[in-house]
Amino acid sequence: GAVVSQHPSWVICKSGTSVKIECRSLDFQATTMFWYRQFPKQSLMLMATSNEGSKATYEQGVEKDKFLINHASLTLSTLTVTSAHPEDSSFYICSALRQGAESSPLHFGNGTRLTVT
Amino acid sequence: AQSVAQPEDQVNVAEGNPLTVKCTYSVSGNPYLFWYVQYPNRGLQFLLKYITGDNLVKGSYGFEAEFNKSQTSFHLKKPSALVSDSALYFCAVRDGGTNAGKSTFGDGTTLTVKP
Repeated sequence: GAVVSQHPSWVICKSGTSVKIECRSLDFQATTMFWYRQFPKQSLMLMATSNEGSKATYEQGVEKDKFLINHASLTLSTLTVTSAHPEDSSFYICSALRQGAESSPLHFGNGTRLTVT
Repeated sequence: AQSVAQPEDQVNVAEGNPLTVKCTYSVSGNPYLFWYVQYPNRGLQFLLKYITGDNLVKGSYGFEAEFNKSQTSFHLKKPSALVSDSALYFCAVRDGGTNAGKSTFGDGTTLTVKP
């Protein structure tokens, strides 16, 4: 149980276009979802915390107008990279925290490799 | 504020030997501690956690970790390493005194097990 599906697993887009990444909890409800960015051989950089039905909380230095997050339901959060540029190329990972189980581990998607040309 | 330190970027061990991946933490409330493993181009997988109770916790794939409150450490161990254990390992801490669920991750340790 506790499966998180992240889609797409990889995407290549042209500079200036937008890309949407979906994160779904398949068999549990997630009060909170988190979005991370990971550079090669580096740790996870938390971008934002997404709570169902409310605005996302962005970490310092993350542009909220560039990285749009929508948490439409207890099982779905989306990250849209708007007007993507080559420097946005990275590995993006989502995670979900099961509702009512704050001592539980995070459940991670398999990540999305974004390449902007 | 909370933080995690993984002092070793890389750990190399021979197959069959014991392994240790170190982690120390800082948190103002009760520490919820986790270890995750990441294989190339994948998300993180949960290995084990400490919330309360016995200081020695056992997890997936034969891994275990010992919570040491006085040293604020939570080192990951395995008695006999396998080549398939080679991966990137992350330690994480969450403040159990809040319900924010926000975890702080260490920088990761690359474990290489050689045959």
